[in-house]
Amino acid sequence: GAGVSQSPSNKVTEKGKDVELRCDPISGHTALYWYRQSLGQGLEFLIYFQGNSAPDKSGLPSDRFSAERTGGSVSTLTIQRTQQEDSAVYLCASSQSNTEAFFGQGTRLTVV
Amino acid sequence: AQSVTQLDSHVSVSEGTPVLLRCNYSSSYSPSLFWYVQHPNKGLQLLLKYTSAATLVKGINGFEAEFKKSETSFHLTKPSAHMSDAAEYFCVSYAAGNKLTFGGGTRVLVKP
Repeated sequence: GAGVSQSPSNKVTEKGKDVELRCDPISGHTALYWYRQSLGQGLEFLIYFQGNSAPDKSGLPSDRFSAERTGGSVSTLTIQRTQQEDSAVYLCASSQSNTEAFFGQGTRLTVV
Repeated sequence: AQSVTQLDSHVSVSEGTPVLLRCNYSSSYSPSLFWYVQHPNKGLQLLLKYTSAATLVKGINGFEAEFKKSETSFHLTKPSAHMSDAAEYFCVSYAAGNKLTFGGGTRVLVKP
């Protein structure tokens, strides 16, 4: 596709349920990032994939969060046993080497 | 390790007056530097980028930034603010072999 695509755009889930957020990066981009943005806050780094290297998971806030990237392309961020504090916009970005990162429109997650 | 510091969390300007958003970076070696803008409820859009070519970089919507290695700065300026410039701005660095590093963001308010 022409840009980074994230789905769903909005997700409302009940506390305690698991959710999966999907990111389709720009074709050929080797780097993929997940960030979280809570209401009125800056960007919180979650995880970074670069090619075939082991991902940098240093930003994941708890073991309820995990992410994978299949075949160096699509990535899925999974949040298990969701809590209300997980409510935020989850942003995905992809880039090629040291060029700029392109961001998706985000998934707005609301935990009720 | 990289770090990016945006010196002002909020900036308020009057329409038609200059805008200055300050950014300092820390890196072991010369990074690539970017400014992104995020309008309310929108995704992040690239304003401009520095990748070791000209130190004065021009971007979209009349913004420009100057890379000053001696001061480790990459400040963003615009000669005349417009109401549509009200948004949040992020300074970002990238160094080869590392992930993107975001500043904390600067929220710009434009008064009529």
